[in-house]
Amino acid sequence: AQKITQTQPGMFVQEKEAVTLDCTYDTSDPSYGLFWYKQPSSGEMIFLIYQGSYDQQNATEGRYSLNFQKARKSANLVISASQLGDSAMYFCAMREGNTGNQFYFGTGTSLTVIP
Amino acid sequence: DAGITQSPRYKITETGRQVTLMCHQTWSHSYMFWYRQDLGHGLRLIYYSAAADITDKGEVPDGYVVSRSKTENFPLTLESATRSQTSVYFCASSESSRGLREAFFGQGTRLTVV
Repeated sequence: AQKITQTQPGMFVQEKEAVTLDCTYDTSDPSYGLFWYKQPSSGEMIFLIYQGSYDQQNATEGRYSLNFQKARKSANLVISASQLGDSAMYFCAMREGNTGNQFYFGTGTSLTVIP
Repeated sequence: DAGITQSPRYKITETGRQVTLMCHQTWSHSYMFWYRQDLGHGLRLIYYSAAADITDKGEVPDGYVVSRSKTENFPLTLESATRSQTSVYFCASSESSRGLREAFFGQGTRLTVV
């Protein structure tokens, strides 16, 4: 089974609107971390936001927030007030605490912000 | 410069040749990782290391060899390159003392096997 699933290969959003990028995960480890990375066309991987499995509140970092629904095993990224510079690939990732500390990545969502 | 650097940034090699991709980090992070990125697959883990002299296989280790004699270096060697190993390779590092926190990535190496 896939550890991380991103079902939206491509998304479009109007500038200044909010957009949600979906991510579901699969683990039986009670200790894990969830991450979102951004990859612009230049290719680098930029860390955006982190959510720990024991965190009670949803993580927020500026215009980024993580909608963490533990029972549903989902960790959706919400980008508010989209900007043209948000156009990029976005990857969801998970790290399990008790099984090697590896990072597992999804296949990514390509976001295009329309002016 | 502080951070994590990969070299070379671009490499073209012939089928059957041995090639080594270098990764160097200045943070003394315990964990280091090698990923390959291919269209439709996201990032797939090749090998990772929890500390110097400790390495372990990831999802797609076949055809690759790693070593970690020093904390700061984690080279990846393709013993006999094949066209299927044409990909973008990313090295990453993470600090174990911060628990399950984020990994920091190098700029990537674009490898073409002809």
